Amino acid sequence: KQEVTQIPAALSVPEGENLVLNCSFTDSAIYNLQWFRQDPGKGLTSLLLIQSSQREQTSGRLNASLDKSSGRSTLYIAASQPGDSATYLCAVGGGSQGNLIFGKGTKLSVKP
Amino acid sequence: DARVTQTPRHKVTEMGQEVTMRCQPILGHNTVFWYRQTMMQGLELLAYFRNRAPLDDSGMPKDRFSAEMPDATLATLKIQPSEPRDSAVYFCASGFLYGFGANVLTFGAGSRLTVL
Repeated sequence: KQEVTQIPAALSVPEGENLVLNCSFTDSAIYNLQWFRQDPGKGLTSLLLIQSSQREQTSGRLNASLDKSSGRSTLYIAASQPGDSATYLCAVGGGSQGNLIFGKGTKLSVKP
Repeated sequence: DARVTQTPRHKVTEMGQEVTMRCQPILGHNTVFWYRQTMMQGLELLAYFRNRAPLDDSGMPKDRFSAEMPDATLATLKIQPSEPRDSAVYFCASGFLYGFGANVLTFGAGSRLTVL
């Protein structure tokens, strides 16, 4: 059974810092991996999708990497801003039907 | 922007009552998922549909939960009878399934259920 772990559970950084969020998964036979953002009381917003054949994806200040063989992904946020404060969730696509298994998230707080 | 619409946004009910949550997926999407989110368990997959056909509902307590898609514009999740441990935020998500399982999901805002 696939298990997805995110470390740390919470992170607080000053504005302007570059930071890395970590995600690990136990079964490397995945189709893809996605990073989501969740604001308090809101739904999830998809940030980046990495296919199993890809090593990384970039969108603006965000860069996500995938190392399938070691069961790891990282989300790099450059020049963090207070507006980046949210919970970031990693989800692994393990089935051909597109279902996702989620980690419990990292709650990020960026202080002005 | 196209969005997934969920109703109700908030529901408070008493133990034993029936609860129905509704979801309007994005037009053209061919997959619909129901997730439950709690502080302890995080996001758990309850059920999902492809082209309105149920593919997997193994995440649901079968004796009290049921999920259906009566048409392409409506997905429902029903709990009967509800219990306090069902208190959670229930999310619906829809997406278009491409090859090799690529499926970028759009999530609704969630239905927050409190069972007293």
